Amino acid sequence: DIQLTQSPSFLSASVGDRVTIACRASQDISSYLAWYQQKPGKAPKLLIYTASTLQSGVPSRFTGSGSGTEFTLTISSLQPEDFATYYCQQLNSHPLTFGGGTKVQIK
Amino acid sequence: QVQLVESGGGVVQPGRSLRLSCTTSEFTFTTYAMHWVRQAPGKGLEWVAVISYDGSNKYYADSVKGRFTISRDNSKNALFLQMNSLRAEDTAVYYCAREAGYCSGGTCYSVGYGLDLWGQGTTVTVSS
Repeated sequence: DIQLTQSPSFLSASVGDRVTIACRASQDISSYLAWYQQKPGKAPKLLIYTASTLQSGVPSRFTGSGSGTEFTLTISSLQPEDFATYYCQQLNSHPLTFGGGTKVQIK
Repeated sequence: QVQLVESGGGVVQPGRSLRLSCTTSEFTFTTYAMHWVRQAPGKGLEWVAVISYDGSNKYYADSVKGRFTISRDNSKNALFLQMNSLRAEDTAVYYCAREAGYCSGGTCYSVGYGLDLWGQGTTVTVSS
């Protein structure tokens, strides 16, 4: 099974900060990686798919990059509504797997 | 508004069974692969199972293989998860989710576009 390792697990940042979250796969997954945002008590929301394609309706301050085994999610200027937990997911092969999550907290 | 609605959660004793359902009436259900994803209290997301648009292919997480069965009834726009031999570690919020893809020539394909629509979740608690 493909393991996804996210870093950091927790991140404290201020409004306006540039934030980067990393996701490392245990083997090559090409560009079959998605990023999700989850707020407490809510279902996850798809932000980015195929590593770098922005889902419709998602603000352009969110960008994804990477391929193979190394991926990043960047928020260019953190907004109050961005404080949440972020997960990566590989869709390259079954069983599909999620990373452990990165909680972005207010500094 | 396009939505998925889960039902069937509840409190169940270890070793017993439960069947979750997920329904929609707002999109062409028959052209999408569908997933179940769960989240234990205070924990991260765990992918559980997927079924192809026509029900011909199914895959499971190792943690549920042999105990859970995913199925669908395209005539009723419904997705199901039959959970048998439940354990305390199956306690979680269970989400159904739609996988974006495309169809061509009567066949639909999952191409890694992610899970673009999620239900609100249904809670399963396994406890004696």
